[in-house]
Amino acid sequence: AQTVTQSQPEMSVQEAETVTLSCTYDTSESDYYLFWYKQPPSRQMILVIRQEAYKQQNATENRFSVNFQKAAKSFSLKISDSQLGDAAMYFCAYRRRMDSSYKLIFGSGTRLLVRP
Amino acid sequence: GAGVSQTPSNKVTEKGKYVELRCDPISGHTALYWYRQSLGQGPEFLIYFQGTGAADDSGLPNDRFFAVRPEGSVSTLKIQRTERGDSAVYLCASSSDRSTQYFGPGTRLTVL
Repeated sequence: AQTVTQSQPEMSVQEAETVTLSCTYDTSESDYYLFWYKQPPSRQMILVIRQEAYKQQNATENRFSVNFQKAAKSFSLKISDSQLGDAAMYFCAYRRRMDSSYKLIFGSGTRLLVRP
Repeated sequence: GAGVSQTPSNKVTEKGKYVELRCDPISGHTALYWYRQSLGQGPEFLIYFQGTGAADDSGLPNDRFFAVRPEGSVSTLKIQRTERGDSAVYLCASSSDRSTQYFGPGTRLTVL
């Protein structure tokens, strides 16, 4: 069974600085998607970034970028120029590309604190 | 258009009662998912609908949980004989292309 592990329960960053959140996963599949979702206190999960496993190039979305290491099964999220609005829970998620349900498998999350 | 909506936002009930949680997906999205998020954890998959049918209900914890989507849009998650362990945030998501799921704000269920 696939599993997703986030080993950092909480991270703290100074406003305008850079922070990296870690995620590792375990799968025997070769074709899959990886995601980072942000969950603010409002509870709504917001997609931050998506990576397709067959693409070697790391995905980027404005201040957010990933370091995807397929052989190491590692998928970290880098947030540059951190802003107060980035404070939230961040969840890493995995999904098989071809699946009967396309369900997401989530890690336990990392709480990001942003210091002004 | 509007995003995924869920009602109620919060639900408090007593042990043994029946509850219904509603999800209204993004218009045109054929795939709909229910997840359960316990305190301090990531969401866990419950059930997936493609259209009106439940294509995968392998995440439902037991037969007290049931979900329907009779017209292929709105879905209702039904929990019978609620237990204190059912207390959690229930999240709904919808998708059009099976790659990206868009989540609603969730329903926080508290069973006293």
